[in-house]
Amino acid sequence: DTAVSQTPKYLVTQMGNDKSIKCEQNLGHDTMYWYKQDSKKFLKIMFSYNNKELIINETVPNRFSPKSPDKAHLNLHINSLELGDSAVYFCASTASGLTDTQYFGPGTRLTVL
Amino acid sequence: EDQVTQSPEALRLQEGESSSLNCSYTVSGLRGLFWYRQDPGKGPEFLFTLYSAGEEKEKERLKATLTKKESFLHITAPKPEDSATYLCAVQARSSNTGKLIFGQGTTLQVKP
Repeated sequence: DTAVSQTPKYLVTQMGNDKSIKCEQNLGHDTMYWYKQDSKKFLKIMFSYNNKELIINETVPNRFSPKSPDKAHLNLHINSLELGDSAVYFCASTASGLTDTQYFGPGTRLTVL
Repeated sequence: EDQVTQSPEALRLQEGESSSLNCSYTVSGLRGLFWYRQDPGKGPEFLFTLYSAGEEKEKERLKATLTKKESFLHITAPKPEDSATYLCAVQARSSNTGKLIFGQGTTLQVKP
């Protein structure tokens, strides 16, 4: 009965590789987000989709490409991984109301060697 | 620029020793202020939403309050299981996307 799930939990890879992280929510929410949490625990928004439409695209390198095949899924593909991409990536979702609570997934710890 | 600053960065308490965490914010019109708790290796877990100055919300040993410039998370008689990082976030009224701006968090350690 997990609300927001992410795979994989851990991802260790070499510089220059391409990798994907997947997110799924079973809450029936319309809006999903990707956040990046750096080593100092600072959480920063990257992207958001509402009903499969991109609505937030922060200043993120274009090596990062989100894809939402349907409103329950939001994936993040990263090309040409760099050392600085090492972080924990969180997916979140919310119902369509603007002040509705955002529910977070368990996170994916990406380590680039 | 919308900004959130939390203090202190780290706080150590003895079990039963009450204290407060601070969240100062500057935002072009506040729509909502959110508190989350994050345990190591897990995602943030929602605690409270506050919408207007003077509002207060409580849950067990936690009480969140809001003024026009800051929010406090008061912890009364904390227990070791309250140890976690507490995150504060704001949403601007000008946002039509639900974007949250987070502070850097306060890591609380409660010793038995």
